[in-house]
Amino acid sequence: SAVISQKPSRDICQRGTSLTIQCQVDSQVTMMFWYRQQPGQSLTLIATANQGSEATYESGFVIDKFPISRPNLTFSTLTVSNMSPEDSSIYLCSVINTFEQYFGPGTRLTVT
Amino acid sequence: SQQGEEDPQALSIQEGENATMNCSYKTSINNLQWYRQNSGRGLVHLILIRSNEREKHSGRLRVTLDTSKKSSSLLITASRAADTASYFCATAGVLQGAQKLVFGQGTRLTINP
Repeated sequence: SAVISQKPSRDICQRGTSLTIQCQVDSQVTMMFWYRQQPGQSLTLIATANQGSEATYESGFVIDKFPISRPNLTFSTLTVSNMSPEDSSIYLCSVINTFEQYFGPGTRLTVT
Repeated sequence: SQQGEEDPQALSIQEGENATMNCSYKTSINNLQWYRQNSGRGLVHLILIRSNEREKHSGRLRVTLDTSKKSSSLLITASRAADTASYFCATAGVLQGAQKLVFGQGTRLTINP
C-alpha cells in the first residue's frame, strides 16, 4: 500500500483567489493522479502527473485552471486558480501500487 | 464511456444482515476495484479483482466479476454499524500505457443498529 498525505485538509476561500494543494507520498511513484469529487457526486479524474513532464489533463480540465507541479517522485501540487463557487469540492490525489490505486484523505474546498 | 453504474444508489439494512451492491460497466477492463468512503473523506481501497478472476474474498467482503455481463457485485456479510459509508466501484482500463480508473456513482449504505 501507500500512505498519502494532503495539505490543507480543508479551506474556505474567496471567489477569484487561488489555492495550492500539496500531496506527499511515502514512497516513490511514477504517476500521481488528481481527482475532484463535487458534493454528493462520484470522483472525476482531473489529470495525471508524471515526474519530469507536463501533466495530462482530462476532457473538461485545463492547465490554466488547474496547474500541476511534479518536482519529484514523492510530491505533487494542484492549484485551483481563479476560484468560483462551482469549484467547491473535495480534491484527492492518488497513486498506483501494482495496479491497486490508493487515495489521500482529500482536501475539502469551499469557495464563497 | 467506461463508467460504472452502481445499483442501488442507497441501501439501508439492519445490523447483522448482508449487504449486496452491484456495479455494471460498458467496455473491456483490466481490473475492477471497490472503495469505501466515510462521510466525504478519503477513499479506502477494499479489493481489486482482475479481469481473469471471477471471485475474491477479503474478510467479510466478497467480490464477484462477470465479464460476459460486464458486472460486479460486492457482498458485505454480517454487517456492522461501522460499515455505514458510500461504496464505489472503479473500472481500470489502460490508455496510452497508463491505468485509468473510472468511478461509478456509488452506493450509500446505512447500517441500522
